[in-house]
Amino acid sequence: DAGVIQSPRHEVTEMGQEVTLRCKPISGHNSLFWYRQTMMRGLELLIYFNNNVPIDDSGMPEDRFSAKMPNASFSTLKIQPSEPRDSAVYFCASSWKGRESPLHFGNGTRLTVT
Amino acid sequence: DQQVKQNSPSLSVQEGRISILNCDYTNSMFDYFLWYKKYPAEGPTFLISISSIKDKNEDGRFTVFLNKSAKHLSLHIVPSQPGDSAVYFCAASGGKLTFGTGTRLQVTL
Repeated sequence: DAGVIQSPRHEVTEMGQEVTLRCKPISGHNSLFWYRQTMMRGLELLIYFNNNVPIDDSGMPEDRFSAKMPNASFSTLKIQPSEPRDSAVYFCASSWKGRESPLHFGNGTRLTVT
Repeated sequence: DQQVKQNSPSLSVQEGRISILNCDYTNSMFDYFLWYKKYPAEGPTFLISISSIKDKNEDGRFTVFLNKSAKHLSLHIVPSQPGDSAVYFCAASGGKLTFGTGTRLQVTL
């Protein structure tokens, strides 16, 4: 079991640039989640998918953020244009659907927007 | 509005002693609670959970207590070990998982 794989591990970009974060969930998991971690707000849920379909995107901060899951083994989170306040660690997690199924997190992407 | 609160950003405990991490929630619809542990440069990993039909769940050195009337849960680690030094996140679910801001535990020798 390779676990949830995220890329890149670190991303440094200039304000206004487009940023794409990538995630490969654990094979067989049918729910995928994108979280953002900041000191002030902890882990915030941005969006989650079930069977590749977005179920709840109410946590997406604004239209500059978008997420896709074209198939069961790949998801992207895109920020365009990026702003300094987007600097954070972004985590992807996957699980079996079911409320008592714990999330398995990737190691995150640390994004710095200058 | 933070529905899950961990009011202590950090905690330092001596090796061998008990560590108690606290968490408060405001949403009475939450009925399933979890604790995650996070080391630097890694993602959070699941530690222990408890359903609202219980008031205690134990797994080795880790015990979670739930007080529904106070909307409070706590994680006890006994005995604490240096390898327990990490950030601990409390999470609550009423369908969607909501995390607290984390407590950094430092276990000293």
